Amino acid sequence: SQTIHQWPATLVQPVGSPLSLECTVEGTSNPNLYWYRQAAGRGLQLLFYSVGIGQISSEVPQNLSASRPQDRQFILSSKKLLLSDSGFYLCAWRTRGQGETQYFGPGTRLLVL
Amino acid sequence: GDSVTQMEGPVTLSEEAFLTINCTYTATGYPSLFWYVQYPGEGLQLLLKATKADDKGSNKGFEATYRKETTSFHLEKGSVQVSDSAVYFCALIRQGSNYKLTFGKGTLLTVNP
Repeated sequence: SQTIHQWPATLVQPVGSPLSLECTVEGTSNPNLYWYRQAAGRGLQLLFYSVGIGQISSEVPQNLSASRPQDRQFILSSKKLLLSDSGFYLCAWRTRGQGETQYFGPGTRLLVL
Repeated sequence: GDSVTQMEGPVTLSEEAFLTINCTYTATGYPSLFWYVQYPGEGLQLLLKATKADDKGSNKGFEATYRKETTSFHLEKGSVQVSDSAVYFCALIRQGSNYKLTFGKGTLLTVNP
C-alpha cells in the first residue's frame, strides 16, 4: 500500500533563517506530487506541483521554492523565511492512471517568529 | 478562474443532529468534486467524491450529490457524532488542470454530546 511521510511534524524558525521540508512517498512510482499551504484564515492554497524528477511548476509567486531530486521525494525550501511563511504545509500525491484523487501527508506546522 | 465557495463556519451541532454544509463552485467544463476532512492536528483525508453530474458520493454516513444545474455539491449527514468534529473542505479538479485541487476555505464543525 502507498504511504506518504512528511517531516518534521512541527518547526519553529526565526525570521531570515533557511527552511527545508521533506516529503517522501512509498509504494508508488512516478507520482504527481503537490505542496499546499494552509495559512490562518486563508484556506488551502496550491504552491507547487511536479509531474516528474526535476519538473516543478509554481502556482503563486512567493518566498519559497521546490525541488524533486528523486522520483518519490519532494522538498520545499526557502533561503530566508518571512513571518508570512507561517502555516501548515501539506504534501500530496496522485498515482498516474489511477484517477484524480490526491492523498495527503500528515503535514508540517511551521511557525516563523 | 476556478473557485469553490462553502458556507462560513463555525457550525456547532448537538449529537444526532442533521448536518448540511453548502458548497458551490465555478469552473469551466465538468470538474470532479471532492469533500476532504481534516481532524484536529492531522492532514487531510478524502471523505467522498463525484466525477459527473448527478453522481452521489458517500462515505461514513456522509453524502453529497453533484448538481450541475446549480453548480453545487452540498455535504449532508443524517445524524452527526462527536467524532465528526473536524474541518470540512469542498474542492474541485478541473479537466486539463494537471489534476490540481482548488479548495474552499473550509468549514469547522463542532459536535457536542
